[in-house]
Amino acid sequence: AQSVSQHNHHVILSEAASLELGCNYSYGGTVNLFWYVQYPGQHLQLLLKYFSGDPLVKGIKGFEAEFIKSKFSFNLRKPSVQWSDTAEYFCAVTPTDNYGQNFVFGPGTRLSVLP
Amino acid sequence: NAGVTQTPKFQVLKTGQSMTLQCAQDMNHNSMYWYRQDPGMGLRLIYYSASEGTTDKGEVPNGYNVSRLNKREFSLRLESAAPSQTSVYFCASSTTSGGWTGELFFGEGSRLTVL
Repeated sequence: AQSVSQHNHHVILSEAASLELGCNYSYGGTVNLFWYVQYPGQHLQLLLKYFSGDPLVKGIKGFEAEFIKSKFSFNLRKPSVQWSDTAEYFCAVTPTDNYGQNFVFGPGTRLSVLP
Repeated sequence: NAGVTQTPKFQVLKTGQSMTLQCAQDMNHNSMYWYRQDPGMGLRLIYYSASEGTTDKGEVPNGYNVSRLNKREFSLRLESAAPSQTSVYFCASSTTSGGWTGELFFGEGSRLTVL
């Protein structure tokens, strides 16, 4: 079975600081990788995803993530955060052969951006 | 377009009481899911339904039952609520029709407290 770990429980940044949230997964086969975001009081929504091809993927609101297969990592980055990026961020993985029937989410990283 | 709708949004139960969480999606998705979200543990899959008429256990199914009433609706039932079931419950849906995009569409969540 796959598992997902996220390096930080809570990250506090000032506006305009750069962001990197770590995500590592454990699984013996090929996977699809995702970052979901949950803004305060809202439901989870997809930020970006990796299926195949270019390991650097871009998502909404200026976020990007890099898949490093050798490190089983899929870290989320943003060059300059805004107060509106305050949210909880979840990394998720699913095996490529089961069409999402078994998403596994990480524990989440809470990001607080100070104005 | 409502997307995924969950009811109720809030519920307080006493230990031993039963209740059903309702979920409906209007996107014609074939797959539906129930997750629970607990602090520091991310989202954990309770049950999922890959298509109408089928259901499968996820990571934490004990104490829950589900019904895929039709393609639109997927309900989660707690037969005898326990304090350990205090959590936020999320329903989600996805589709494999026309190629799987990998995106889960979430409802707004149902906050359940068991006293």
